[in-house]
Amino acid sequence: GAVVSQHPSWVICKSGTSVKIECRSLDFQATTMFWYRQFPKQSLMLMATSNEGSKATYEQGVEKDKFLINHASLTLSTLTVTSAHPEDSSFYICSASPPVVPGGQYFGPGTRLTVT
Amino acid sequence: DAKTTQPPSMDCAEGRAANLPCNHSTISGNEYVYWYRQIHSQGPQYIIHGLKNNETNEMASLIITEDRKSSTLILPHATLRDTAVYYCIVRVARYGGSQGNLIFGKGTKLSVKP
Repeated sequence: GAVVSQHPSWVICKSGTSVKIECRSLDFQATTMFWYRQFPKQSLMLMATSNEGSKATYEQGVEKDKFLINHASLTLSTLTVTSAHPEDSSFYICSASPPVVPGGQYFGPGTRLTVT
Repeated sequence: DAKTTQPPSMDCAEGRAANLPCNHSTISGNEYVYWYRQIHSQGPQYIIHGLKNNETNEMASLIITEDRKSSTLILPHATLRDTAVYYCIVRVARYGGSQGNLIFGKGTKLSVKP
């Protein structure tokens, strides 16, 4: 079945540093990928839509200069959290839409970011 | 996407069937019902989807009422590993990501107890 992977699964970084998270579709091509953020005991909230070969679309309230998204190929999207602060600590999840489930999405396992 | 309503929590005994309800009274004729679940500290997992006929796969069964205003996800023999938050989402089905992201509500927290 369709698989989406993320790397790393968890990361701890110091305040002020940058962290890159990778999202890969392992057995299908994805022209569009989605990045979500989830705080403890809350539901997933969309941050941005990543489009292969073009600029990402950010949701209202999400700083595009802070959360850099690059979708350089049909199987890879990256999210870079720049100048991270403790309030950026969260669970980041990506998803993509494989051709096997119309209207559905497959999600990566998530990346737990802790900023100290 | 049509709005859905789910109970905030449910308990189920291990080995018994778990029946998770979802109301979607404003569903349109071309909208499908999707079910996902999220086990703690993991990404959401696709379970099943359907339009109007009942559906079954290796994970679960989906029963949709004749008027399509509600549905039930059935886990026939719940195990402790089925403890998760279950999300019912209604949307139009198109291939690829062209119809946009999934919108998650609060879902139902299912606790399977020994």
